[in-house]
Amino acid sequence: KQEVTQIPAALSVPEGENLVLNCSFTDSAIYNLQWFRQDPGKGLTSLLLIQSSQREQTSGRLNASLDKSSGRSTLYIAASQPGDSATYLCAAEGAQKLVFGQGTRLTINP
Amino acid sequence: EAQVTQNPRYLITVTGKKLTVTCSQNMNHEYMSWYRQDPGLGLRQIYYSMNVEVTDKGDVPEGYKVSRKEKRNFPLILESPSPNQTSLYFCASKRGVSEQYFGPGTRLTVT
Repeated sequence: KQEVTQIPAALSVPEGENLVLNCSFTDSAIYNLQWFRQDPGKGLTSLLLIQSSQREQTSGRLNASLDKSSGRSTLYIAASQPGDSATYLCAAEGAQKLVFGQGTRLTINP
Repeated sequence: EAQVTQNPRYLITVTGKKLTVTCSQNMNHEYMSWYRQDPGLGLRQIYYSMNVEVTDKGDVPEGYKVSRKEKRNFPLILESPSPNQTSLYFCASKRGVSEQYFGPGTRLTVT
C-alpha cells in the first residue's frame, strides 16, 4: 500500500529565502508525482506534475524533482514571498488514484 | 475557462437526510474522482470513474454512492448521511496520465 510522507509538517522562514520541501513515497511504481498548493479553507491548485520518466519540472520560481529509485521528491521554492504562504501537498499517482501526503504548512514572514 | 465545479459549496444537514453533491467538468476528461479531506487523515479517495458508466471504489467508499451517466458529471450521493461524514469533499478530473484538476470543495456538516 502506497504511503506518502512530507517533512517537515510546518516551516516558517523569512521572506527572500530559498527553501526545500520534502516528499517521500514507499512504492516506486507510480505514474507521476504531483505537487499542489492549498490555501486555508480553499481547494487544491496544481503546481507541478512530474511524470515517472522525468527527473524534474520547473515553473517560475518553483522546481520539483523526482527520484523514483529512492522514493523521494523535492519542491524547491526560490526567493520566497509572503504570498507563498500556504499548505503544500505532494501526491503520488498509481492504480487510478492519488495518494496524498499530510502536507507542509509554509509561512513566509515579511 | 477550464474548470471543475461543485455544488453546493457549503451544506449543513441532519442525520439520515439524503443529499447529492454535484460535480461537473468542462474539459472532456474521461477520469473523475471524489476525495474527502479530514484533519489528521489528509485527503482520501472515495470513488473514481474511468469513463461513462464505469465506476469503482476508492479507499473509503462506505456510505457513499456515485453515478456516471454523462462524461461531464459525477455526482456524489449520501443516501443516509451520518456525523462521521462531516468533511471537506473534493471532486477531481483528468485525461490520461496528466495532472488532476480539483474543484473548489464542498464543506459538509451532518448534525
